[in-house]
Amino acid sequence: QTVVTQEPSFSVPPGGTVTLTCGLSSGSVSTNNYPAWYQQTPGQAPRTLIYSTNIRSSGVPDRFSGSILGNKAALNITGAQTDDESDYYCALNMGSGIWVFGGGTKLTVV
Amino acid sequence: QVQLVQSGSELKKPGASVKVSCKASGYTFTSHTMTWVRQAPGQGLEWMGWINTNTGNPTYAQGFTGRFVFSLDTSVTTAYLQISSLKAEDTAVYYCARGTSRFSGPVDFWGQGTLVTVSS
Repeated sequence: QTVVTQEPSFSVPPGGTVTLTCGLSSGSVSTNNYPAWYQQTPGQAPRTLIYSTNIRSSGVPDRFSGSILGNKAALNITGAQTDDESDYYCALNMGSGIWVFGGGTKLTVV
Repeated sequence: QVQLVQSGSELKKPGASVKVSCKASGYTFTSHTMTWVRQAPGQGLEWMGWINTNTGNPTYAQGFTGRFVFSLDTSVTTAYLQISSLKAEDTAVYYCARGTSRFSGPVDFWGQGTLVTVSS
């Protein structure tokens, strides 16, 4: 069974830039996987940031952007703020109407 | 504005059933799919599946077949998740989330979540 992989944790200084990635245990991520990115702070519902690789959801600032980097999907965050300290999950379309979440990345802004 | 309002927390005994509701408003209900996501305590998100709000046809992820049922009542723009034969490991927050289109796809708006606790 193919697993969606993410870095378990990442740290970025305030004002810095960070790129989180989302890969597959077997194979490459492409736009055909329609990568999506979600942000979740403790105790809150997830919030959609990006879908279909690089489309920002309503109200999401342009500090957040999505792309394909090599064989992975990527979420780029520029000008990191303390409010960005959250868990970030990617999700990939595996075909036949099935989606799978990655294990999530815990981002620390410090 | 788009809103998904879920029913309140539930405490159930093992073997019982639970039905979680997700009331949608602010958009045309049948123009967007509804997805269900589980999050066990301290764990990540699990994609459970989705339901076509036009046809009522559900798609379940591996591990969510048999005891889990997605349904709709389009007259009240509400989606439901029913779980039968509850087990302790079903303890989790369950989220509904609106699809970006009428077909299987990513989600854009989320409900606030419903905590289901299974304990004797």
